[in-house]
Amino acid sequence: LAKTTQPISMDSYEGQEVNITCSHNNIATNDYITWYQQFPSQGPRFIIQGYKTKVTNEVASLFIPADRKSSTLSLPRVSLSDTAVYYCLVGDSWTGFQKLVFGTGTRLLVSP
Amino acid sequence: NAGVTQTPKFRVLKTGQSMTLLCAQDMNHEYMYWYRQDPGMGLRLIHYSVGEGTTAKGEVPDGYNVSRLKKQNFLLGLESAAPSQTSVYFCASTDGGDNSPLHFGNGTRLTVT
Repeated sequence: LAKTTQPISMDSYEGQEVNITCSHNNIATNDYITWYQQFPSQGPRFIIQGYKTKVTNEVASLFIPADRKSSTLSLPRVSLSDTAVYYCLVGDSWTGFQKLVFGTGTRLLVSP
Repeated sequence: NAGVTQTPKFRVLKTGQSMTLLCAQDMNHEYMYWYRQDPGMGLRLIHYSVGEGTTAKGEVPDGYNVSRLKKQNFLLGLESAAPSQTSVYFCASTDGGDNSPLHFGNGTRLTVT
């Protein structure tokens, strides 16, 4: 069961790029890396998922080095509405989503 | 297309009372999950289901029971509520294929006094 480590909190200002790094030293060969975003009083929402190298969508980019022992979620030009908790999860659907572990996440605060 | 719907949104119980939380999904997903989230903490898995008629224990199952009689519904029951069960409860579902993501409801805030 891959355990992840993220910073507890980060601060940024509007318009800046934010990079949140997640460590997952014992990631397994079949594991994917998935990031979720959670606003207060809402359930987590899927942001991005990747296996290796770089993945980009309309919301974020995910950078994964060759050894896959860490990953970095990159949010370009953040706004106040990006203030949320971000969770990094590692696992694969074939062994069951029940083995995915939500840690405490990274609380991002974006200020004007 | 409503996604994952949880009812009720809020509830206050007295110690020893019972209640059932309902989760409904309209995406024809096979897998459904119940999590609890306590202040300042991540989500912890209570019970889950990999298909209609099946349920299994997660990380923190004590004090809860579940049923999945219909594919679209996953019920979480508290037979005798305790103050330690004060929490926000989230339901999630996924079709489980090709690492498809979890889809979450907006939670039920339960207070046990």
